[in-house]
Amino acid sequence: DGGITQSPKYLFRKEGQNVTLSCEQNLNHDAMYWYRQDPGQGLRLIYYSQIVNDFQKGDIAEGYSVSREKKESFPLTVTSAQKNPTAFYLCASSTQGSLNYGYTFGSGTRLTVV
Amino acid sequence: GQQLNQSPQSMFIQEGEDVSMNCTSSSIFNTWLWYKQDPGEGPVLLIALYKAGELTSNGRLTAQFGITRKDSFLNISASIPSDVGIYFCAGPNSGGSNYKLTFGKGTLLTVNP
Repeated sequence: DGGITQSPKYLFRKEGQNVTLSCEQNLNHDAMYWYRQDPGQGLRLIYYSQIVNDFQKGDIAEGYSVSREKKESFPLTVTSAQKNPTAFYLCASSTQGSLNYGYTFGSGTRLTVV
Repeated sequence: GQQLNQSPQSMFIQEGEDVSMNCTSSSIFNTWLWYKQDPGEGPVLLIALYKAGELTSNGRLTAQFGITRKDSFLNISASIPSDVGIYFCAGPNSGGSNYKLTFGKGTLLTVNP
């Protein structure tokens, strides 16, 4: 079955360490997205990519980095520059040219920095 | 940019009650999407609306695309405990990039058995 997979589900890291969250999709979607979710703040866009080897900053890109070397993969690195990295991170994908069918979301990664 | 105002922010109801939530915008949307997020999971699309005035049902869920194209409503009838979660409205950005959805901040639903 086609879908979008995020791993790991739970991640613990020490303060000051970089950490990379994985997102893989086999839906043949061109566009991929990373969102951050904090209680009561809805979904905030970190980065998105419309095609391979291209990506754009979202609303809260500071302290994060991404790459899009393959259509299927869009990993997110949370760097030590991110001041408050503990959150629930969601990856999503969509077909090119039309968002009328919305996004398909992964099941999320909960990152806790101690 | 475009914004979606979703209300109420949270609801606490008894099992069996009906639920109504809405989403409004100062901008016109040509598509309205309603998602549900179970605790600890990613959002899942419930209903998509494509035409002003459209009324669409999915089991106990009914959603409507407002005539002005600036609002949408989601109703849940005879709520059950598994309806617990966060409900988001969303719509595609118009103008500029066509590759992003605008999301409301969500309605947190709690159902007491």
